[in-house]
Amino acid sequence: DAKTTQPPSMDCAEGRAANLPCNHSTISGNEYVYWYRQIHSQGPQYIIHGLKNNETNEMASLIITEDRKSSTLILPHATLRDTAVYYCIVRGSGTYKYIFGTGTRLKVLA
Amino acid sequence: DADVTQTPRNRITKTGKRIMLECSQTKGHDRMYWYRQDPGLGLRLIYYSFDVKDINKGEISDGYSVSRQAQAKFSLSLESAIPNQTALYFCATSDLEFGGEETQYFGPGTRLLVL
Repeated sequence: DAKTTQPPSMDCAEGRAANLPCNHSTISGNEYVYWYRQIHSQGPQYIIHGLKNNETNEMASLIITEDRKSSTLILPHATLRDTAVYYCIVRGSGTYKYIFGTGTRLKVLA
Repeated sequence: DADVTQTPRNRITKTGKRIMLECSQTKGHDRMYWYRQDPGLGLRLIYYSFDVKDINKGEISDGYSVSRQAQAKFSLSLESAIPNQTALYFCATSDLEFGGEETQYFGPGTRLLVL
């Protein structure tokens, strides 16, 4: 399974876009990129996932580079409730494994 | 996610005691998982099950056992609890989707303290 690298922490002003980067330089062709977040020891919450194309849902947008070696999760208008640890996970098609790293601790500032 | 419930939510026990953590889901998923999380770290997989008759060890299964009583229920047991099993425990469910996608949905967690 491909490994991911995320910055340990980031700050973002309330109302601004939060852009969370993730490097996955060893990703292979059938591996998906998933994003989860964990708010203060609650269960991880699914945000979004993608394979090649950019994706958008009601929570966020996922931008995957053309070579698929990195991605960015975008929270378009961050609120205080978005303060959480964000995990970028690369998971291969047909495998159950979710490998959680230590994630990025995002703090949204008032 | 309210579709995945865990009981108890908090538990304090003593070294050597046997305890059981329970997970139930109403999502109709076949696959269920147990993870543990230690402070400041990501989640690590303990056991997983792809259907009622299937049980598999994850990366840290020593000291744990599981039971899949039904499609909707997956229990984790600590046969003889020890202090380094103090952690947050999460249950998750998923289904393998067309195209190989598999989104896991997590329960609210059980906070376990072993004295």
